Amino acid sequence: AQKITQTQPGMFVQEKEAVTLDCTYDTSDPSYGLFWYKQPSSGEMIFLIYQGSYDQQNATEGRYSLNFQKARKSANLVISASQLGDSAMYFCAMREGLTNDYKLSFGAGTTVTVRA
Amino acid sequence: EAQVTQNPRYLITVTGKKLTVTCSQNMNHEYMSWYRQDPGLGLRQIYYSMNVEVTDKGDVPEGYKVSRKEKRNFPLILESPSPNQTSLYFCASSLRGEGEKLFFGSGTQLSVL
Repeated sequence: AQKITQTQPGMFVQEKEAVTLDCTYDTSDPSYGLFWYKQPSSGEMIFLIYQGSYDQQNATEGRYSLNFQKARKSANLVISASQLGDSAMYFCAMREGLTNDYKLSFGAGTTVTVRA
Repeated sequence: EAQVTQNPRYLITVTGKKLTVTCSQNMNHEYMSWYRQDPGLGLRQIYYSMNVEVTDKGDVPEGYKVSRKEKRNFPLILESPSPNQTSLYFCASSLRGEGEKLFFGSGTQLSVL
C-alpha cells in the first residue's frame, strides 16, 4: 500500500499568490515525522519543513507552513506569496518510528510552476 | 562543511558491466540510505543501514548490493546493471530518529545502455 499519496502531479500558481500542495499518509506507527522537500531543476533535495506526530501546533518556516490534520492523516504544504524561485518539484515524506527502522517514504511529487 | 558526497555525478555504462557508486558523509550519522528517483514514482528506497555492518532491504532492492564497513561510507553496487536500472540515484544520511531530517547527496544520473 502507498505510504504517501500526492494527488497533484502538477500545479500552476501566479506569482505572489499562495498555493497548497496536498499530501496524505498511511502508517500504524504511533510515532512518525512528516517532511517536505523541494527539488529544483538542478536536482538537489532541499529540506523545507518538518512536523512531528505529537506536535500540537502546525509547523511554520518562513513562507512555508504545514497544515497538519492528524485524524485525516493529511500534511498539506502551504507556500505563501509564491516567487519565481519556488518553481520546483515538491515531495512529501514520512519517517516512521523505531518499529519501522526510521524508514523514510516519499510521495510521487508535485511539480509547481510559478507564473510571472 | 557538513555534507554527503556522492560520486560520480553522471555515469553511462553498458548492460552487465559492474559498477559502484560511492557515498560518504562527514556528520557521523548512523543512518544511511540509497534511493532511486523515477518520473511519476518519486523516490523509492533501495537499501538502508542503521549502523556499521547493519544493512537492510528497502522497497526496490533487486539488482543492488550495499555494504557498510565504515560509518562514513555506504557504496551502492550494481553487479550486472540492466537498462531498467537507468535512474537518478540519491544517497542520504541522518541521525537515527523519526524527527531527524535526511541530508542528501547531489545525485548520480545513471544510464545503462
